[in-house]
Amino acid sequence: NAGVTQTPKFQVLKTGQSMTLQCAQDMNHNSMYWYRQDPGMGLRLIYYSASEGTTDKGEVPNGYNVSRLNKREFSLRLESAAPSQTSVYFCASMRAGDTEAFFGQGTRLTVV
Amino acid sequence: AQSVTQLGSHVSVSEGALVLLRCNYSSSVPPYLFWYVQYPNQGLQLLLKYTSAATLVKGINGFEAEFKKSETSFHLTKPSAHMSDAAEYFCAVREGGYQKVTFGTGTKLQVIP
Repeated sequence: NAGVTQTPKFQVLKTGQSMTLQCAQDMNHNSMYWYRQDPGMGLRLIYYSASEGTTDKGEVPNGYNVSRLNKREFSLRLESAAPSQTSVYFCASMRAGDTEAFFGQGTRLTVV
Repeated sequence: AQSVTQLGSHVSVSEGALVLLRCNYSSSVPPYLFWYVQYPNQGLQLLLKYTSAATLVKGINGFEAEFKKSETSFHLTKPSAHMSDAAEYFCAVREGGYQKVTFGTGTKLQVIP
């Protein structure tokens, strides 16, 4: 019963490098989310996908792209990493008609 | 637009004392409200949720919260703090029929022996 799985758990990038954060859920949820967590700022929504085939911007989408590959998977891409993107990234999912989101364990990203 | 305000980024209580973490929300429609807990280096775990049934909601680990529409508040309480309650707590709101969940900035709870 894995729930929401994020890979990798830790990553160090150099400024300008690109990478993709992976997220998969096995709960057959319709909605999926990417958040970033920074000290004193709580969790801020980067992008979300209300259903397979749709994506929408959240509060802080600049510098990121997403792909809802299928119902299970929702990836977050950094095309050209910047130090300001150093953060902990959380993926979450929610079932249609349900109320709360379920979270992965997070990816700790450092951009140097 | 929905929003959440958590008063106090850090709260310290003595072991055995009352825990009170404050949350006020803004929503144009009846909201769903949540409290999540995050232990160090872990993801977020749902403590409790309000979904328009009972206004007093009981959660895990002895926590509860009361929805007060007139005060637009959803404060989290626990009668007696335990050392294991030390964590960061997040209040969140989701407007019914709307898929986005908005989080507060979090409150770190310290429990002093």
